[in-house]
Amino acid sequence: GAVVSQHPSRVICKSGTSVKIECRSLDFQATTMFWYRQFPKQSLMLMATSNEGSKATYEQGVEKDKFLINHASLTLSTLTVTSAHPEDSSFYICSARHREIGEQYFGPGTRLTVT
Amino acid sequence: RKEVEQDPGPFNVPEGATVAFNCTYSNSASQSFFWYRQDCRKEPKLLMSVYSSGNEDGRFTAQLNRASQYISLLIRDSKLSDSATYLCVVTRRGFKTIFGAGTRLFVKA
Repeated sequence: GAVVSQHPSRVICKSGTSVKIECRSLDFQATTMFWYRQFPKQSLMLMATSNEGSKATYEQGVEKDKFLINHASLTLSTLTVTSAHPEDSSFYICSARHREIGEQYFGPGTRLTVT
Repeated sequence: RKEVEQDPGPFNVPEGATVAFNCTYSNSASQSFFWYRQDCRKEPKLLMSVYSSGNEDGRFTAQLNRASQYISLLIRDSKLSDSATYLCVVTRRGFKTIFGAGTRLFVKA
């Protein structure tokens, strides 16, 4: 089946620093990638939709200057959490929509802890 | 009001029980519907798609009622391994995917 990877799987950073999370579709091309955030015991919340070669579309309440998304190719999207704060600590999951078959596949997630 | 609402749970059932999950969605323009399963600290995995004609896969049956904007999932003969959080998922135009808050299921021996 289609595989989506995320790197890193876990990251601990200090408040005020920036963290980059990569999302890759390993064996398929993804026209669209999505970034979600999940706080403990809560559901996944869509943060932004990213289309290759164009600007990401952010959901209401998500700061685009804080969560920078780059979708440079059909297999890679990155999310950079800038000037991270402890309240940004969360589980970040990406998903990629298969270019041909239209199915959406999820990455394993990245657990971010900001101290 | 949330766009996708589910039973709050948790559901605690014995092995072999039948359990039903309910979900409603508010956006009548929603296009596709799914049930996902999420194990603790893992990413969600697609369980099954949901169609108006109903969809059955082994012990799992999903149903969609567009007129009522209601989605259901039935698990028969539940197993210990069915313990997880079940997420109702709705896709809007542009492939935006909205997740319900999930219903936690505990199946006990």
